[in-house]
Amino acid sequence: AQTVTQSQPEMSVQEAETVTLSCTYDTSESDYYLFWYKQPPSRQMILVIRQEAYKQQNATENRFSVNFQKAAKSFSLKISDSQLGDAAMYFCAYRSADWGETSGSRLTFGEGTQLTVNP
Amino acid sequence: NAGVTQTPKFQVLKTGQSMTLQCAQDMNHEYMSWYRQDPGMGLRLIHYSVGAGITDQGEVPNGYNVSRSTTEDFPLRLLSAAPSQTSVYFCASRNTPGQGQYEQYFGPGTRLTVT
Repeated sequence: AQTVTQSQPEMSVQEAETVTLSCTYDTSESDYYLFWYKQPPSRQMILVIRQEAYKQQNATENRFSVNFQKAAKSFSLKISDSQLGDAAMYFCAYRSADWGETSGSRLTFGEGTQLTVNP
Repeated sequence: NAGVTQTPKFQVLKTGQSMTLQCAQDMNHEYMSWYRQDPGMGLRLIHYSVGAGITDQGEVPNGYNVSRSTTEDFPLRLLSAAPSQTSVYFCASRNTPGQGQYEQYFGPGTRLTVT
């Protein structure tokens, strides 16, 4: 079974600075997807960024980028120029690339990292 | 599109009561799932469905039942609520292969308290 670990329960950053959230995972599969989700106080789960394991290039979405190290099974999220609206709980998640019935619907989540942005 | 909708947003139950959490999506997604979120544990999969008439258990299925009679709806039933089922519940759906998108779409969540 796959596991996802976020070792930082809480992080804080000054507005306009850069912060990196860590995520490690364990899997025996070679093809999979990794995600970062943001959950603000409204509880809504918002997809921030996605990485396909077969792609060597790190994904980037505006101020959000990842450092994907497949051999090390590491998937960190970097937030540049942090804004007050970035304050939220962030979840790292894994999903198999197997679209079969037993695994295709399953997202495995980490424990979450609560990010505080200080003005 | 309304996306994924869940009702109710909040619910308080007494131990032993039953209730159904409703979930509906209007995106014609085949795959739908239920997760529960507990502090320090992320989201964990309860049950999922790969299409109408087909359901299967996830990581933490005990105490919950599901059915999928239509593509749009995927209700979650608590037959006899227990305090351990106090949690926030999320319904999610996603596209099937070939539709070009990979992400799961989440509903707004239901906060359930069992006393």
